[in-house]
Amino acid sequence: DGGITQSPKYLFRKEGQNVTLSCEQNLNHDAMYWYRQDPGQGLRLIYYSQIVNDFQKGDIAEGYSVSREKKESFPLTVTSAQKNPTAFYLCASSIDRSRGRGYTFGSGTRLTVV
Amino acid sequence: RKEVEQDPGPFNVPEGATVAFNCTYSNSASQSFFWYRQDCRKEPKLLMSVYSSGNEDGRFTAQLNRASQYISLLIRDSKLSDSATYLCVVNSGNQFYFGTGTSLTVIP
Repeated sequence: DGGITQSPKYLFRKEGQNVTLSCEQNLNHDAMYWYRQDPGQGLRLIYYSQIVNDFQKGDIAEGYSVSREKKESFPLTVTSAQKNPTAFYLCASSIDRSRGRGYTFGSGTRLTVV
Repeated sequence: RKEVEQDPGPFNVPEGATVAFNCTYSNSASQSFFWYRQDCRKEPKLLMSVYSSGNEDGRFTAQLNRASQYISLLIRDSKLSDSATYLCVVNSGNQFYFGTGTSLTVIP
């Protein structure tokens, strides 16, 4: 079955540590996205990619980095520069960013700073 | 002004009730509209797209009012399983904008 797989489901990070969240899709979607969800704030866009080897900053990119070396994969690194990383991180993909057909989401990663 | 605004609720309704949510958007050039459902601690899942002429899927009806720049979701004959947060999503150009969600609890 096609879908998006995020791992791990839960992640604990120590202060000053970089961590990488995995996102893999087998839907053959061109566009992929990373969102952060905090209580009462809805989803905020961190980064997005419309094609391999290309990505753009979203609204809250500071303290995060991404890569898109393969169509299927869009990992997100939460760096030590991100001062408040505790949140629910959602990866999504869509056929084409401009067609507005809606997203398919992964099941999310809950990141907690300890 | 936020791109998309929703009443966060919560809406607490009895089983069998009809409930409606509205969502307003600021960009008149917005092209596509969606309603997503998100269960507690889960990812959002597409509930339905919203078409200009309005559309229905079983107990759910979605409508778009371009003149007033809002979309709505109507749920008839509410079930306990409808309890969730409902997110409206608006596509403007190359960007998707999410509302903060409206929380619905259906009470036995």
